[in-house]
This record gives sequence, structure tokens and C-alpha cells, in this order.
Amino acid sequence: DVKVTQSSRYLVKRTGEKVFLECVQDMDHENMFWYRQDPGLGLRLIYFSYDVKMKEKGDIPEGYSVSREKKERFSLILESASTNQTSMYLCASRYEFRAFFGQGTRLTVV
Amino acid sequence: DAKTTQPPSMDCAEGRAANLPCNHSTISGNEYVYWYRQIHSQGPQYIIHGLKNNETNEMASLIITEDRKSSTLILPHATLRDTAVYYCIVRENAGNMLTFGGGTRLMVKP
Repeated sequence: DVKVTQSSRYLVKRTGEKVFLECVQDMDHENMFWYRQDPGLGLRLIYFSYDVKMKEKGDIPEGYSVSREKKERFSLILESASTNQTSMYLCASRYEFRAFFGQGTRLTVV
Repeated sequence: DAKTTQPPSMDCAEGRAANLPCNHSTISGNEYVYWYRQIHSQGPQYIIHGLKNNETNEMASLIITEDRKSSTLILPHATLRDTAVYYCIVRENAGNMLTFGGGTRLMVKP
């Protein structure tokens, strides 16, 4: 089965730090996504990528950037972490009808 | 993508069928209905999708009304492990974004 792996399950970072969240998928999917999930707000799309070096903004891109240098890897970057970016971050890849999600990274910014 | 409406929560007795409704009255002709679920502390998991016809797989059945304005996900014999948030999503197959609404929190009780 498809595997989507996020580099960390839990992260604690300080305000102002640059944070990298990494996601790797093993099935050569073109489409990859980054979401954040907060209580009461559900899953919100931050960015997605439909090919290497291609990216599109989702619903809440402010404060984030992304990098897709290789097809299998999609990185989410918090340029200067803030406490309101404390959240669960979920990466996904998609092929045709199905999206496959990683286990999530719970980021705490202190 | 068409908007979907789901009840925020439902209960179901273990071993009984769980019927989860979804309204999507503005669905267009080329939009599919997808269902995902998210078990606590895990990423969302694909369940099933359909366009017009009813669909069944090893996880669930999907019943779509003839006018396609609503659908029902059926878990035929719910177990405690089916306790999760269930998301109904409507989108074109060619679309890149996958937008999650609030979902229905299903609690399966012994």
C-alpha cells in the first residue's frame, strides 16, 4: 500500500525559528498536499503541488511556504514560527480518486 | 466544489448498521462524492467514492439518490474501531484540491 511518511510525529520549536516539515511518498504521485488541523476548524489546506517545482496556494497560505524539488518529497516551511501556528500538520499525496495521508506532525511553538 | 452538509455527530450500537447522511444539493454533473474518515490521532483514510451508481467495497456502501443531491454512507456492522470523524466531500475528479468540511463524529457504543 502507499506510504506517506512525515519526518516527525511531535515537534517543539521556539517563536521566530525557521521550521521545516518534511513529507515523503513512495508511489510516484504527482499531487501532494499540506493541511493543518485545529479543534473546531477541521482540516484546512495550506498548499498543494501538482508536479515538481509547481505549487498552488490553498486556503491559508499566509506564514508558510513550500518546496517540491523532487517528486517524492514535499516540504512545508514556517519562515518564522509563531504561537498561532501550533497545530497538527498533515501531508497527503493523491492518485486519481484516492488521497493518502501521513500520520501527522503535532507542532508546538513556544 | 459543491458544498456538503453533514450532522455533527451520531451514535451507533456495536454490530448495527451505521448510516451517515450527506447533503450536496448543489452538486454538478461531473462531481464525484467521496467519503473519508479520520480515527483519532491518525491521518484521514479513504473509504469509498461514487458518481451516480451505488457503490460497495470491503469497508462500506455508498448510496446516492437519483437526483444526486444527497448520499448515505453505510457501515453494515459497525465496530468500536469505526469510531471516527467521517467526511463527505464533493469534487471533480480532475480537480486538485481536496476540501474537508466539519464531518460527522460517529461514536460506536458497546
